[in-house]
Formats: sequence, structure tokens, C-alpha cells
Amino acid sequence: EAQMVESGGGLVKPGGSLRLSCEASGFSFSNAWLSWVRQAPGKGLDWVGRIRSNSDGGTADYAAAVKGRFTISRDDSKNTLFLLMDSLKVEDTALYYCTSGSLGGNYWGQGTLVTVSS
Amino acid sequence: QSVLTQPPSASGTPGQRVTISCSGSSSNIGRTTVYWFQQLPGKAPKLLIYSDNQRPSGIPDRFSGSKSGTSASLAISGLQSEDEADYYCAAWDYSLNGRGVFGGGTKLTVL
Repeated sequence: EAQMVESGGGLVKPGGSLRLSCEASGFSFSNAWLSWVRQAPGKGLDWVGRIRSNSDGGTADYAAAVKGRFTISRDDSKNTLFLLMDSLKVEDTALYYCTSGSLGGNYWGQGTLVTVSS
Repeated sequence: QSVLTQPPSASGTPGQRVTISCSGSSSNIGRTTVYWFQQLPGKAPKLLIYSDNQRPSGIPDRFSGSKSGTSASLAISGLQSEDEADYYCAAWDYSLNGRGVFGGGTKLTVL
């Protein structure tokens, strides 16, 4: 059974950094395009960004709100997706999901909560 | 304000057919395919529909998707109490160097 498990969330001060990880299993990780989607408390889904498979270039695209502050990367040898978040803002507070596909696919993690507060 | 516009709420009685709309523009729905997700309370989203009207394996045929021009719809027939959830449409948007966009979500209540 396919599974995606996020980790790394927590409480961080504005301006701080955090790195989220997402370990996947049960599907062809190296061939998959992957994305991050977040959900602020009580709000809707918000696309953060995606990364192509390495065979398709391995490059990433980002939402305007996070471009220049967030970096998506992947380690196919460990079936792990990363989200490095710098210069965090209060408005980045959300539950962060990793998922297969560019917008969200068949596989989703359970989410990891990031709280940005002083 | 979301790029894709959904009604904030919808409702129906068990057995009824309900539809949820998703309105976009020529830079997103009018140009590419639409996805629909279901999010049960306290759970991660689940893919219901991709490529406008395709269901992943395991999704009942009570759920169907359609698209016309710059709008899309999700229809749920034979409504069941367990369908009470938030529903989101999504598409790729080709403005601003390309980005993923979601609708604001529709809360479906089964009366």
C-alpha cells in the first residue's frame, strides 16, 4: 500500500527556517512528480509548489506567495521529498501536506503542522 | 480570493443528486484539465476526479465530473451521509509563469 509520511513541523518564530520531510513508499517515487499543498487552520487548500521527476529535469515551480523563500527538493535514493522554508511569516502557519502529482494525486500524507508565531 | 470560484456550501438529502460548480478562466479551466478532491473532517484530501471526468480506481461511479468552457462541475448521485465533506476543484493556471490553483472549497451537508 502506498504511503507518504511528513515530518519536521513545529513552532518557529517569524523570520526563522524549517525543513519538512516526506518519506514515501509503495509507489514509483523516482518517476513521480510531487507537490506540497498547505491548509491554514479552518481554511481551504493552497498549492505551495511541485517538483518534476529527475528524468523530466528535476526542477521545481512555486506559488507566488512562497517563491524565493521556499525550496522543494528530492532524494530519490531515500524516497524522500523535502520542503525548505526560509524567512517564514505568520501567514505561513498551516498544515503542510505532501502529495503525488503536480496538484495532488492518489497519494497524500497526513500533514505536518507548521506554526509561525513570536 | 481564490482563482477558481466555488459556492461555499451545498446540501442535499440522502439519495438525492447534488452538483458543485467550479468557475475559472481561459488561463486555467479553459485551457487544461480539472481535478476534484474530497476532504472528510480531520482527514487529508482524497482525489475523486482527474482529467475533468476520470475516476481513480476505488472511487464509486456516484461521483462524476464534467467541464464546459471555463467551468467545471462535480456531481454526486445517490447522496449518502458519508459524503458530507469539503470538496475542492483544482487546475493548473498558465498565467504568472504557471501555478497550481484550488477553488475555495464547498462544504457539502447531507440533511
